[in-house]
Amino acid sequence: GQQVMQIPQYQHVQEGEDFTTYCNSSTTLSNIQWYKQRPGGHPVFLIQLVKSGEVKKQKRLTFQFGEAKKNSSLHITATQTTDVGTYFCAVPLIQGAQKLVFGQGTRLTINP
Amino acid sequence: GEEVAQTPKHLVRGEGQKAKLYCAPIKGHSYVFWYQQVLKNEFKFLISFQNENVFDETGMPKERFSAKCLPNSPCSLEIQATKLEDSAVYFCASSQTGYGNTIYFGEGSWLTVV
Repeated sequence: GQQVMQIPQYQHVQEGEDFTTYCNSSTTLSNIQWYKQRPGGHPVFLIQLVKSGEVKKQKRLTFQFGEAKKNSSLHITATQTTDVGTYFCAVPLIQGAQKLVFGQGTRLTINP
Repeated sequence: GEEVAQTPKHLVRGEGQKAKLYCAPIKGHSYVFWYQQVLKNEFKFLISFQNENVFDETGMPKERFSAKCLPNSPCSLEIQATKLEDSAVYFCASSQTGYGNTIYFGEGSWLTVV
């Protein structure tokens, strides 16, 4: 079935350092979504990427979708303590339908 | 409403007891999803509905789990005879059109089986 691998599993940085998480799929994706889950919270939608090679920015967050639509990354520039949480990529399952398959998540912790 | 509302926020059950969770999707959303998140953080898909119809139940342990979305009522997820490994946060989510669309999560129901 559709699977997406996300790395790293954990990342600890000093405040002000950059952070990147990656998602990879063995199959071509129609789109990929990114979610953020704060500790003890629920996943919150950040963005959806659809086009090959697409790059989208939200303030200090940069999202990329690979040219082959098999990988994606989320990069945070100059992390702040408010960025703490787990970042998940999610892809729609083509067979079956109407559900997202989530990556394993990257848990970001920040040393102030 | 403008958010997915889940109740209860916390639930404690003895092993073998029944647990029932509720979810009111965002008004106008046709699809409802249930996900289970255990301590490892991984999300396990359980079931999805299109309105009141089961759309995909491939993730449901059918012998003990059941779910419904009836008209004019909150959706529900019920676990008969809970087991210790059912301890998890159960998230309900809804989306407007389903496939490829953004899904909006509720705050989750934390089930602890003791």
